Amino acid sequence: DAGVIQSPRHEVTEMGQEVTLRCKPISGHNSLFWYRQTMMRGLELLIYFNNNVPIDDSGMPEDRFSAKMPNASFSTLKIQPSEPRDSAVYFCASSGVVNRGNSPLHFGNGTRLTVT
Amino acid sequence: KQEVTQIPAALSVPEGENLVLNCSFTDSAIYNLQWFRQDPGKGLTSLLLIQSSQREQTSGRLNASLDKSSGRSTLYIAASQPGDSATYLCAVTRNEKLTFGTGTRLTIIP
Repeated sequence: DAGVIQSPRHEVTEMGQEVTLRCKPISGHNSLFWYRQTMMRGLELLIYFNNNVPIDDSGMPEDRFSAKMPNASFSTLKIQPSEPRDSAVYFCASSGVVNRGNSPLHFGNGTRLTVT
Repeated sequence: KQEVTQIPAALSVPEGENLVLNCSFTDSAIYNLQWFRQDPGKGLTSLLLIQSSQREQTSGRLNASLDKSSGRSTLYIAASQPGDSATYLCAVTRNEKLTFGTGTRLTIIP
């Protein structure tokens, strides 16, 4: 099992540019989560999907952020246009069949985004 | 709104000592509590998951306890090793959503 795979590992972009982060969850997992980690606010849940359907996107900070999960093996988080305050590490995580939260969460290694 | 607190923010301990990390949460209506480890530049690794009906879980030198009524959990590390140096985060789950603490950065001094 290769674990949760995220790409790219690092992204440096200029303010105003579009950024797309990618995630491949663990095969067979049916829940996928996008988190953002900063020194100031720690880990924040942005959005999560269950069986490819967005369940809760209340953590998405603004309309500039959007996420999709077109199939069970792929998800994207897009920021358009990007701003310097979006600089953070973005993590994708997945978990298996969930029964009231009994399944451990598996994280990818994250994408470190820097917006200049 | 659930709030999860971890104190202290940083801890240094000589190698070989036993140690305890603390986690507290404000809303006891949780499904489970997880302890994670994060190494620099890496994602989080799940160490232990305690169901809401359980009191503790053990894995090797790690033992995690849960007291829902008081909103507390502890992670006990026995015979600490330099390889245990990392940031440890606890997270509580409700309705599939995890709320994380800000973590304790642990340094084991050889």
